[in-house]
Amino acid sequence: KNQVEQSPQSLIILEGKNCTLQCNYTVSPFSNLRWYKQDTGRGPVSLTIMTFSENTKSNGRYTATLDADTKQSSLHITASQLSDSASYICVVRTMDSNYQLIWGAGTKLIIKP
Amino acid sequence: ETGVTQTPRHLVMGMTNKKSLKCEQHLGHNAMYWYKQSAKKPLELMFVYNFKEQTENNSVPSRFSPECPNSSHLFLHLHTLQPEDSALYLCASSPPGETNYGYTFGSGTRLTVV
Repeated sequence: KNQVEQSPQSLIILEGKNCTLQCNYTVSPFSNLRWYKQDTGRGPVSLTIMTFSENTKSNGRYTATLDADTKQSSLHITASQLSDSASYICVVRTMDSNYQLIWGAGTKLIIKP
Repeated sequence: ETGVTQTPRHLVMGMTNKKSLKCEQHLGHNAMYWYKQSAKKPLELMFVYNFKEQTENNSVPSRFSPECPNSSHLFLHLHTLQPEDSALYLCASSPPGETNYGYTFGSGTRLTVV
């Protein structure tokens, strides 16, 4: 069964610290993996999209990694800011005829001053 | 603003009411989607429209009725809802041939059924 599991479910860190969020998936065949940021009361906003051949992709202070062999991805946030408080969602697209998006439940990140 | 506009932002309705959610995009995208987001659960795809034609109905109860009059507008008509239908309803759009592009989401409608 195609699934995306994220950990931790929630995380609290101090402003200025770094953190890493994890995503494990069992989706096959795999097309691409996306990370979205969702602020409270808003829709998700795309941070990165990585295809099978990409190992690392950065977007400012956000760096996503992908290990297609172990089917794991991580999102690393450097020098966190209060505005990073949000839910971070991992999404995997299948490469079958349906091209489905399999969504994770998200990690809720809280940055404290 | 993301380019996808949803109205209303908040809606409280009784179980016997009829209401509609509206979504509008002027990004030139040809595909539009309705998603349901419940607390601590993954987004659930409800409906997909490509070039105004419904291409996916993810076993959604008939009390939810979508309408797509053109590629820029999408509606979700609601009637005789249940309290468990309370959730954030998100509209999204994507460009033609989307496989390696992200979806653009609206801010959602927070629906409460009483």
